[in-house]
Amino acid sequence: KAGVTQTPRYLIKTRGQQVTLSCSPISGHRSVSWYQQTPGQGLQFLFEYFSETQRNKGNFPGRFSGRQFSNSRSEMNVSTLELGDSALYLCASSSQTGARGEKLFFGSGTQLSVL
Amino acid sequence: SQQGEEDPQALSIQEGENATMNCSYKTSINNLQWYRQNSGRGLVHLILIRSNEREKHSGRLRVTLDTSKKSSSLLITASRAADTASYFCATDLRGATNKLIFGTGTLLAVQP
Repeated sequence: KAGVTQTPRYLIKTRGQQVTLSCSPISGHRSVSWYQQTPGQGLQFLFEYFSETQRNKGNFPGRFSGRQFSNSRSEMNVSTLELGDSALYLCASSSQTGARGEKLFFGSGTQLSVL
Repeated sequence: SQQGEEDPQALSIQEGENATMNCSYKTSINNLQWYRQNSGRGLVHLILIRSNEREKHSGRLRVTLDTSKKSSSLLITASRAADTASYFCATDLRGATNKLIFGTGTLLAVQP
């Protein structure tokens, strides 16, 4: 099975722009989570989707949004980018059951730089 | 934030030695997981231990969990240069929704 695929791998944007990141989970996985990783704050939970529904949301401003499609692929969007949004954005999927507390399979991440 | 804390922040050892990392957390959990991350890449799941378990083994990995002290440790035996990475604990909070809270991580360097 192919792993979790995130695109693009690297992205450079300027302040005020918006960005869309994409994540394709492992085939058959219906739960997709997003995390932001920065040197200062570490790994922070953004949101989790299961069967196209957002089940959980972290403490991020409304500029951060996401969605999941019927094929379980997910996108996250950040509008009005700020310098502090520079980070590695990681997507993770978990198994078909969508049960809580399962192990996560991570993609390689999208490294976003905001100039 | 209910983020866990890991100790030490950084650890440097020689190949063949054992490495021990500790994780403390703040509230009751369903389970605790350990992940490994090579520089700038995604995380890889290592092992999961449930709240009713005290010890678990997987290959060269040994994890312990003490729920009374709200702490866990990860032991890597006979370390190799390829074990060089950051190691994170992650907790799944009891009664909470399905999100993992990650610790601050331990950066392990194994010198050949």
